[in-house]
Amino acid sequence: GAVVSQHPSWVICKSGTSVKIECRSLDFQATTMFWYRQFPKQSLMLMATSNEGSKATYEQGVEKDKFLINHASLTLSTLTVTSAHPEDSSFYICSARDLRGDGNTIYFGEGSWLTVV
Amino acid sequence: ELKVEQNPLFLSMQEGKNYTIYCNYSTTSDRLYWYRQDPGKSLESLFVLLSNGAVKQEGRLMASLDTKARLSTLHITAAVHDLSATYFCAVAPTGNQFYFGTGTSLTVIP
Repeated sequence: GAVVSQHPSWVICKSGTSVKIECRSLDFQATTMFWYRQFPKQSLMLMATSNEGSKATYEQGVEKDKFLINHASLTLSTLTVTSAHPEDSSFYICSARDLRGDGNTIYFGEGSWLTVV
Repeated sequence: ELKVEQNPLFLSMQEGKNYTIYCNYSTTSDRLYWYRQDPGKSLESLFVLLSNGAVKQEGRLMASLDTKARLSTLHITAAVHDLSATYFCAVAPTGNQFYFGTGTSLTVIP
């Protein structure tokens, strides 16, 4: 089963509203999680690094005030798309590194489809 | 600017044939990953390559890494329809953040 879970799997929201996507590590602690965005038929683009207990680090060109990231616990990071617009419609995927064992295992969540209408 | 490029972007091949997907990257990275993505789904991990000369095989897929040339290959042997998917390579220069390749959309035709 999934070790990194995202919720919701898909969401439709009205333009101008905000929507929150959760990313949970189910059986390990993750001090750092990562958020990616994937437009249809394109690659995944790293948006930001979510750090437990501190501010997220955003990639160049990603608006931190629009994509709010909170990493309040060692197993949960949330991405809130504020004042969503149709161009924000995308597939959002999170990932987390499992530091147990050799520490080389990265788990990706199942992804969350966002459609803004 | 970090670039991860895959070649080809689209690949249509007949069942039973062999082919290689190439992944070039522009920065040093101590590890390279290969993933499979089915339509509408998240990523499925295929291989993690951790050192120069690393070669890993799983079924009809074999991946290799040449860190000096900054090149990884994903070789498909005797393709079957079930391999149809999009394949991504990714580098992780700092060990955590992934930078994905452009993706290769593979269609295996009967």
